[in-house]
Amino acid sequence: GQNIDQPTEMTATEGAIVQINCTYQTSGFNGLFWYQQHAGEAPTFLSYNVLDGLEEKGRFSSFLSRSKGYSYLLLKELQMKDSASYLCAVRGFYFTGGGNKLTFGTGTQLKVEL
Amino acid sequence: DTEVTQTPKHLVMGMTNKKSLKCEQHMGHRAMYWYKQKAKKPPELMFVYSYEKLSINESVPSRFSPECPNSSLLNLHLHALQPEDSALYLCASSQETDSGGDNEQFFGPGTRLTVL
Repeated sequence: GQNIDQPTEMTATEGAIVQINCTYQTSGFNGLFWYQQHAGEAPTFLSYNVLDGLEEKGRFSSFLSRSKGYSYLLLKELQMKDSASYLCAVRGFYFTGGGNKLTFGTGTQLKVEL
Repeated sequence: DTEVTQTPKHLVMGMTNKKSLKCEQHMGHRAMYWYKQKAKKPPELMFVYSYEKLSINESVPSRFSPECPNSSLLNLHLHALQPEDSALYLCASSQETDSGGDNEQFFGPGTRLTVL
């Protein structure tokens, strides 16, 4: 099975940097994704890590440590539009049915304030 | 075209009704997914289709019946639902299920379902 933990809520100031942590326990690990979801909208892909280290994409960076079962999403130069839920999702090999499946964490609701 | 479309956007149905949710993508993806999302909860996987064949059923009740008529379309047939089935139903697609790499899933906007 898979167990994924994230903080429920975070608040940060516009222009600042915020780090959202994710810890996971899984079998057949095959990658970790971060998605952003605004209220009432579909999740949108932000980043992907499968090897240890940091991946940078503009204002967003994501880090992975497979040995520690740990990832974080770093958001720089926060903007009001970054207020959303951030979902950590682990891709694991589905031993029964074959292929991979994605399991989402509970999500971190980020509120950006002036 | 990097869009997944879903219809309808909203659906209200009674417990005796039969309805269908539809999902379409034209990205050439061979994997399609149905997720259920309750308020303030993460998406929960229901079904996975790979190359138009059902590959994963997450022990979903039989009142939900998926169908993949072709590689671009995915339906979810609903019958005799319960009020607790009210949720946002999300469709997603990806290139494949078996490949590694940043084979991310693209999500549709969802259908907001209310069962009375």
